[in-house]
Amino acid sequence: RKEVEQDPGPFNVPEGATVAFNCTYSNSASQSFFWYRQDCRKEPKLLMSVYSSGNEDGRFTAQLNRASQYISLLIRDSKLSDSATYLCVVNGGGFKTIFGAGTRLFVKA
Amino acid sequence: GAVVSQHPSRVICKSGTSVKIECRSLDFQATTMFWYRQFPKQSLMLMATSNEGSKATYEQGVEKDKFLINHASLTLSTLTVTSAHPEDSSFYICSATGPKGPDTQYFGPGTRLTVL
Repeated sequence: RKEVEQDPGPFNVPEGATVAFNCTYSNSASQSFFWYRQDCRKEPKLLMSVYSSGNEDGRFTAQLNRASQYISLLIRDSKLSDSATYLCVVNGGGFKTIFGAGTRLFVKA
Repeated sequence: GAVVSQHPSRVICKSGTSVKIECRSLDFQATTMFWYRQFPKQSLMLMATSNEGSKATYEQGVEKDKFLINHASLTLSTLTVTSAHPEDSSFYICSATGPKGPDTQYFGPGTRLTVL
């Protein structure tokens, strides 16, 4: 089993749609969780951190469920510019950072 | 703030040559830098963790004699791919921990290496 698993997609959605991604992690001792966005042939950029209490930033909402060991990202009112690969990132303590393989999103007009 | 640069952004070299990639933190001191490799449609894979003034810690399966890492200052780490082969062709990305603490990494723009 991979340490961090994501549905690779692709998710094809129309503009304005709401889309949700899930990510599961295997190490119950993991301490920090993040969503990164990566555009084609570019470096990953931090989208948001994920907290047990949930985290909302505009159209983006991230949730953490420690009991079930999964993280979610919800994007509301999708824009064309949201098209990218979304990486689930888990830090197992210290500098042990594990990246998921990413979920590809295509938002179409 | 918290900008990381990489140089070169793209390099094409012949098999058997060595290639050096630089990673710089431009506006902060980075005690720890990381080197990742990403093959097409795959996730980032951590190659090594580099601390200023000490030897890098390599992940399992990464040859330290092939991928030489030097972290000589708080703002510069270099990765040298020695005797490169076509299978080393990949997207190499560095990152550094910065002002937001050890959990948040700031990524460089990456270096696309093609070995002919």
